[in-house]
Amino acid sequence: EVQLVESGGGLVQPGGSLRLSCAASGFTFSRFWMSWVRQAPGKGLEWVANIKQDGSEKYCVDSVRGRFTISRDNAKNSLYLQMNSLRAEDTAVYYCAKTGGSGWLRGMNWFDPWGQGTLVTVSS
Amino acid sequence: EIVLTQSPGTLSLSPGERATLSCRASQSVSSSYLAWYQQKSGQAPRLLIYGASSRATGIPDRFSGSGSGTDFTLTISRLEPEDFAVYYCQQYGSSPTTFGQGTKVEIK
Repeated sequence: EVQLVESGGGLVQPGGSLRLSCAASGFTFSRFWMSWVRQAPGKGLEWVANIKQDGSEKYCVDSVRGRFTISRDNAKNSLYLQMNSLRAEDTAVYYCAKTGGSGWLRGMNWFDPWGQGTLVTVSS
Repeated sequence: EIVLTQSPGTLSLSPGERATLSCRASQSVSSSYLAWYQQKSGQAPRLLIYGASSRATGIPDRFSGSGSGTDFTLTISRLEPEDFAVYYCQQYGSSPTTFGQGTKVEIK
């Protein structure tokens, strides 16, 4: 069974940092693009960042560029999101998601499956 | 970036009825690169449809997707009690990938 399990969320003050992790199992992690997608409380879905199979390509949404860094460790079947200079508007549930198929334009494709999510709250 | 507008915002229907959800794009979606997800309260989204009309593994055939260009539709032929949820569309034909704001299907 394909499984994604996020961890690392919590309460952090504005300007602070947090590192999210996603442990993958049930599939060959190194063969797929991976993404982080977030959902603010009561709001819709927003793609945050993605990373190529070997980590050689990374892309992110404009609102997090220069603050968030996506990375992966294929030996550990793990995906990470380093979040710095956090703002109140970064408050959300952060989901780890496997990209379906082989990804095409900048690794874009559908997401399947998704992890259960980890809540990040940025507040003083 | 491509903006996806879903309508209606809320759909109030009874079990057994047909649900028709719309997703309209601000510009043409390349190669019908459009997906649909279902999200129940407190849960992660679940993929239903990709490539505008291909059902994901394990998805019942009462769910179907159609459309091309800028207009896409998700149809649930006969609503089951477990189908009441929020549905999102996603386009991945243009970078960055974007999602619609969601349609809530609620019990009438």
